[in-house]
Amino acid sequence: DAMVIQNPRYQVTQFGKPVTLSCSQTLNHNVMYWYQQKSSQAPKLLFHYYDKDFNNEADTPDNFQSRRPNTSFCFLDIRSPGLGDAAMYLCATSTPGGNTEAFFGQGTRLTVV
Amino acid sequence: EDKVVQSPLSLVVHEGDTVTLNCSYEVTNFRSLLWYKQEKKAPTFLFMLTSSGIEKKSGRLSSILDKKELSSILNITATQTGDSAIYLCAVDYGNKLVFGAGTILRVKS
Repeated sequence: DAMVIQNPRYQVTQFGKPVTLSCSQTLNHNVMYWYQQKSSQAPKLLFHYYDKDFNNEADTPDNFQSRRPNTSFCFLDIRSPGLGDAAMYLCATSTPGGNTEAFFGQGTRLTVV
Repeated sequence: EDKVVQSPLSLVVHEGDTVTLNCSYEVTNFRSLLWYKQEKKAPTFLFMLTSSGIEKKSGRLSSILDKKELSSILNITATQTGDSAIYLCAVDYGNKLVFGAGTILRVKS
């Protein structure tokens, strides 16, 4: 059974048109992460939530926002997508300091046209 | 700043070769080090290491953590074309998971 679910799997959006990606988890993990991964590169952390505390990476563009309305759900909002924002977006969850690995969703591949 | 550095960045080997991938990290708030394999989808978990000197093994893959050297290695013996992937090292720094740049491994038949 999938434990971290991302929707949609594929998203095509127009240049400049706001888009929202979603992630849900059934693991009750404290931390939820959003990563951006471009072709042949490692995942780059955009931000993460530790419970309700939002932590933005210093180099994450202002164009990227996130919401976590409850433990199970987290959203990535891209306010004005540019061509350079086309990438795979990965959501992951973990319990820091716990004895388990981080769990990933299947990712959303975003195309900007 | 919480850093994770992997080397080499890419590697091409022939089937049957043994490879060693490296990962180094910073000590502050270190909780665990994780290895993932990524093909054309989300990363899949390989190993989690918390204790120094204890080898973890799964088939042809093995990994060990050296807390004195702040590093870990991932070994793959008798490589196969199916081992071609990006290998990612990540460190749990207590409140977040930080990935290295990855090692792109290509195994030629």
